[in-house]
Amino acid sequence: SQQGEEDPQALSIQEGENATMNCSYKTSINNLQWYRQNSGRGLVHLILIRSNEREKHSGRLRVTLDTSKKSSSLLITASRAADTASYFCASPHQGGKLIFGQGTELSVKP
Amino acid sequence: DTAVSQTPKYLVTQMGNDKSIKCEQNLGHDTMYWYKQDSKKFLKIMFSYNNKELIINETVPNRFSPKSPDKAHLNLHINSLELGDSAVYFCASSPGTGDTEAFFGQGTRLTVV
Repeated sequence: SQQGEEDPQALSIQEGENATMNCSYKTSINNLQWYRQNSGRGLVHLILIRSNEREKHSGRLRVTLDTSKKSSSLLITASRAADTASYFCASPHQGGKLIFGQGTELSVKP
Repeated sequence: DTAVSQTPKYLVTQMGNDKSIKCEQNLGHDTMYWYKQDSKKFLKIMFSYNNKELIINETVPNRFSPKSPDKAHLNLHINSLELGDSAVYFCASSPGTGDTEAFFGQGTRLTVV
């Protein structure tokens, strides 16, 4: 079964606004990863947060992890039109397979 | 330099045909994967190889056969293509087995007509 579920499925905002995406997972993890996929392209790794971390920053990205609630969030601050993409959370499982959430489609309007 | 490259980018073929997708990574990673992304963008792992050895086979029909001639290459051969095989197939690699990020290729859009 699908490990991660993301919320919302689609998000439309104006440039300059913040975008928040949430991810829930079902089983214990040792890290959670976020990826971006531009239309027609492959996935690009954004950030990895380990199970013993609660928050991590990378540029305009902020990721939180709450292992008690089995949830994570990705915040993109001061969004730009170039941030328009699908965003996926993923967690590694046995053998290294990444289980992906269903993704959030973010549209940033100029 | 492209880290994970797969060819072809687009593949249109008729039902019943056999086709192959090739993947190469120049990152020196030990682990390679094949993922399938359906029309709803749902990504599902198909296979994982570590140092040329199969470690994950996720209930994929045996019409799909991965082959890893060396740890830099993982090809996917599909026999007797069916309409339901239409999807985007992604190759990926990672240094180990899950504790670090994965690097993805650009994808191969397979259309079976």
